[in-house]
Amino acid sequence: QVLLQESGPGLVKPSESLSLTCTVSGGSISPYYWNWIRQSPGKGLEWIGYIYYTGNTKYNPSLQSRLSLSLDTSTKQLSLSLNSVTAADTAVYYCARGDWRNFFDYWGLGTLVTVS
Amino acid sequence: DIQMTQSPASLSASVGDRVTITCRASQKISTYLHWYQQKQGKPPQLLIHSATSLQSGVPSRFSGSGSGTDFSLTISSLQPEDFATYFCQQSLSMPWTFGQGTEVEIK
Repeated sequence: QVLLQESGPGLVKPSESLSLTCTVSGGSISPYYWNWIRQSPGKGLEWIGYIYYTGNTKYNPSLQSRLSLSLDTSTKQLSLSLNSVTAADTAVYYCARGDWRNFFDYWGLGTLVTVS
Repeated sequence: DIQMTQSPASLSASVGDRVTITCRASQKISTYLHWYQQKQGKPPQLLIHSATSLQSGVPSRFSGSGSGTDFSLTISSLQPEDFATYFCQQSLSMPWTFGQGTEVEIK
């Protein structure tokens, strides 16, 4: 059974960087897309970006200038870094596995990040 | 970006009812449309992918239909555990986008 678990600080100050990690267990990194998705009351579900198992990345243009995703295949850990955060970045952040048609078949439990 | 519009935003139904939720895309997306269920405090769970394909382990009372711009999710006989929020998602064109959700409540 594939399990994903997000971790990171729950509170980040405005203008600082948000860093999260997602650890994958019980399954292979390949040949999947590893996504970050966030959910806030105001904006609903928002796709942040993905990193393919090869290391190729795609970002949501709305976040691209502030975002960096990475993947360590040896430890099966994904990382997200979002710079210059504001209150609008407050959300529950999920990592999720993307299949060949880019639907999300496994999700982490999510981690709440508050910018304040 | 492709806009996904769900209707209704919420509905009240009874156990045993047949329920249909619709999702409309702002442009054609073929069958790159997926449905999720989310319960309070939990992550979304994939129900249907590619418009009509039932995800493994999902009860057969859930079904999906549609292609192009208009899609629907049907629950043939609503069960107590189906009271939740349902989202559609398109994956034809980046950025992938979601509908705003449909909350299914107990009547």
